[in-house]
Amino acid sequence: GAGVSQSPSNKVTEKGKDVELRCDPISGHTALYWYRQSLGQGLEFLIYFQGNSAPDKSGLPSDRFSAERTGGSVSTLTIQRTQQEDSAVYLCASSLVWYEQYFGPGTRLTVT
Amino acid sequence: ELKVEQNPLFLSMQEGKNYTIYCNYSTTSDRLYWYRQDPGKSLESLFVLLSNGAVKQEGRLMASLDTKARLSTLHITAAVHDLSATYFCAVDISQGAQKLVFGQGTRLTINP
Repeated sequence: GAGVSQSPSNKVTEKGKDVELRCDPISGHTALYWYRQSLGQGLEFLIYFQGNSAPDKSGLPSDRFSAERTGGSVSTLTIQRTQQEDSAVYLCASSLVWYEQYFGPGTRLTVT
Repeated sequence: ELKVEQNPLFLSMQEGKNYTIYCNYSTTSDRLYWYRQDPGKSLESLFVLLSNGAVKQEGRLMASLDTKARLSTLHITAAVHDLSATYFCAVDISQGAQKLVFGQGTRLTINP
């Protein structure tokens, strides 16, 4: 069956621009997670959705980062006024049961 | 703040040898996960360990969890080149939300 998909796979943007990253979870998965993977910080939790609600936003690094989920399905991570330190691979995961997450292929963001 | 530390971070070994990757964490948890990541790819779930003393095996890989010692191990038996990858452990620090804190990753290279 279809796994978690993310788009775009690669994004190059200029410093100061806004970007939107999209995640399509596995159909029926109620929970959705965003992580960031960078050389300096490793794999970091950003935000978690249960349905359309985000009970845990503790990992968002600044107020330039926001995320939403609509219809209990697609999620968008938005980064405003991008900075070079935002360059990373952004990974999305979804789950149906609490002990199993399935990861998407990631979006590689490069801020120049 | 929870810390998850893997040891070693880099491991180069020959085919046919055995080795162990260690994952130490600094807070109480009985939910630990092992993932594999190939270069340029996303995370693939290997093992889910959900209780003290849990041991799981898949092929040449075996994972165990000692919650009292706050230690998990990933043992590789008779390594083969196909196991070359980066291996991450992750600890779930949430109550049902599966918020994962990852180790730094161990880059494993298996030479013929």
